[in-house]
Amino acid sequence: GENVEQHPSTLSVQEGDSAVIKCTYSDSASNYFPWYKQELGKRPQLIIDIRSNVGEKKDQRIAVTLNKTAKHFSLHITETQPEDSAVYFCAASMKGYSTLTFGKGTMLLVSP
Amino acid sequence: EAQVTQNPRYLITVTGKKLTVTCSQNMNHEYMSWYRQDPGLGLRQIYYSMNVEVTDKGDVPEGYKVSRKEKRNFPLILESPSPNQTSLYFCASTTSWFSGSRDNEQFFGPGTRLTVL
Repeated sequence: GENVEQHPSTLSVQEGDSAVIKCTYSDSASNYFPWYKQELGKRPQLIIDIRSNVGEKKDQRIAVTLNKTAKHFSLHITETQPEDSAVYFCAASMKGYSTLTFGKGTMLLVSP
Repeated sequence: EAQVTQNPRYLITVTGKKLTVTCSQNMNHEYMSWYRQDPGLGLRQIYYSMNVEVTDKGDVPEGYKVSRKEKRNFPLILESPSPNQTSLYFCASTTSWFSGSRDNEQFFGPGTRLTVL
């Protein structure tokens, strides 16, 4: 089955800095890569996603890049704010949601 | 209000005592799924259902059962809970299992924190 590795496990940045979280996947058939944000005590929520026919996608301060050849994808958050502090999960799937495999998560701490 | 609900939200039980965690969605979604979340392990899929009476195993199905008799409900059953099933459980639903996309976002319930003593 699919295996998703996520790094780093924790990331501390100063407000206004950029943050980058990286994930690698094992199955070249995977074609859907969502990112979820989970605030403390809350449920995961989708923040951005990308499909394998696209190399980059941006939504305001967040962007995701995908390198199919290297089988890795990254989340970029610019101009970080304290409210960006949360655990971020990447995931990969080859069949929509039926085979969604998550990374272990990255705890992002943005200090004022 | 469109939502996924889970009950109970918190449960402490003892080894071997059968329990059911309910999940219900009011969005007429075809696809529903159960995940467990453990520190350092992320989210792992337990079971999923593509439609009524159609269920399949995820990555960690051992010790769990599910049923999908109605479109809106997808209960998770632990027939003989053990301490290693202590975890945070999330139910999720979406329109269709087939295509992951922003337009077909998977919505998560609020979570059920289960402790098995």
